[in-house]
Amino acid sequence: DVKVTQSSRYLVKRTGEKVFLECVQDMDHENMFWYRQDPGLGLRLIYFSYDVKMKEKGDIPEGYSVSREKKERFSLILESASTNQTSMYLCASRPTEYFRYGYTFGSGTRLTVV
Amino acid sequence: DQQVKQNSPSLSVQEGRISILNCDYTNSMFDYFLWYKKYPAEGPTFLISISSIKDKNEDGRFTVFLNKSAKHLSLHIVPSQPGDSAVYFCAASANTGNQFYFGTGTSLTVIP
Repeated sequence: DVKVTQSSRYLVKRTGEKVFLECVQDMDHENMFWYRQDPGLGLRLIYFSYDVKMKEKGDIPEGYSVSREKKERFSLILESASTNQTSMYLCASRPTEYFRYGYTFGSGTRLTVV
Repeated sequence: DQQVKQNSPSLSVQEGRISILNCDYTNSMFDYFLWYKKYPAEGPTFLISISSIKDKNEDGRFTVFLNKSAKHLSLHIVPSQPGDSAVYFCAASANTGNQFYFGTGTSLTVIP
């Protein structure tokens, strides 16, 4: 069964901390995405990557960066966590071919910044 | 600006009745649409899709209708079951693009 695995289900971090959210997929997909989900705002794209070492800004990249050193792993970095980054973070992947099939999502990381 | 909108944040339906979830979009370049279902503390899972060359697609209890002229799609669930209680997101993409744009979600509660 294909999988997107996010390393943590729940995280609590302090304001100003540097936070790493890790995502690994085992489907050999070229494309990986980071979304955040907030009530009333739906899923908003933070960053995505089409290939190793490539990254593109999504709709809300401010305060975030990403790293993709290997095809299967896509990391989201909060450089200095703030309380408005408290959210559910969802990682997703999809192949370049057959992209119309949509994404495979991970289970999400619920991040609380205090 | 939100290109995909779900104007109903929540919906309650009796078990056995029909659930109708609606979605509107503004970008006329969108030509492929998906519905995802999300339980709390889980990632969204793919439910059903429709291409703009069709106006209807069925999969078991789930049917998606597309009205291109109105830029509107809807998801029908018949009959609704308590296990259908979840948040439903619609998503759209354009043939020229690589990303899906998501709506804000509708929380469906099916009452036993």
